[in-house]
Amino acid sequence: DAGVTQSPTHLIKTRGQQVTLRCSPKSGHDTVSWYQQALGQGPQFIFQYYEEEERQRGNFPDRFSGHQFPNYSSELNVNALLLGDSALYLCASSFSVAGAPKEQYFGPGTRLTVT
Amino acid sequence: GENVEQHPSTLSVQEGDSAVIKCTYSDSASNYFPWYKQELGKGPQLIIDIRSNVGEKKDQRIAVTLNKTAKHFSLHITETQPEDSAVYFCAARFGNEKLTFGTGTRLTIIP
Repeated sequence: DAGVTQSPTHLIKTRGQQVTLRCSPKSGHDTVSWYQQALGQGPQFIFQYYEEEERQRGNFPDRFSGHQFPNYSSELNVNALLLGDSALYLCASSFSVAGAPKEQYFGPGTRLTVT
Repeated sequence: GENVEQHPSTLSVQEGDSAVIKCTYSDSASNYFPWYKQELGKGPQLIIDIRSNVGEKKDQRIAVTLNKTAKHFSLHITETQPEDSAVYFCAARFGNEKLTFGTGTRLTIIP
């Protein structure tokens, strides 16, 4: 049983560019959450997708957007990249019971470097 | 919103000794408290969690305790081994709200 997978593993972009990160949830999971982890910090919640809709959002600007597909996989898009967007981007999946997500399992992350 | 504080930021213990990491949370409505272990270059791995209707949970050498009145919870690792060396994060959540993480504890096991 494959766990949460993310692609690509590493990515280098230039300021002002746009990036798309991808996540496939663990088998049987229907909820995907995205987190940003700066070096030496804990993960910070970006947003969560359930039933192809953004269910809740953290304190991140509109440059950060996402999508969830019918197969529950998800994408994170970041526009107009800033140097401060350099971080490890983590995807976590879970399954929701009565709309409430259960345990979250993380993927290995995508290391984004903005130069 | 929820705020989670974690202490200590670094911890070194002799192999075979016990390690304790403590977290406090601000939102008394929080009812789910997971702990994650993150090794270098990897994503966080869920190692144990506890819900607000219990005070303690054990899984082999790992245990978590929860004090709802004081709004703090702790991770206990007994008989530590070199492979326990990693960064540990606590987190808190209310209902289906987002997980809020602590700042992490770098645990080093000294052989």
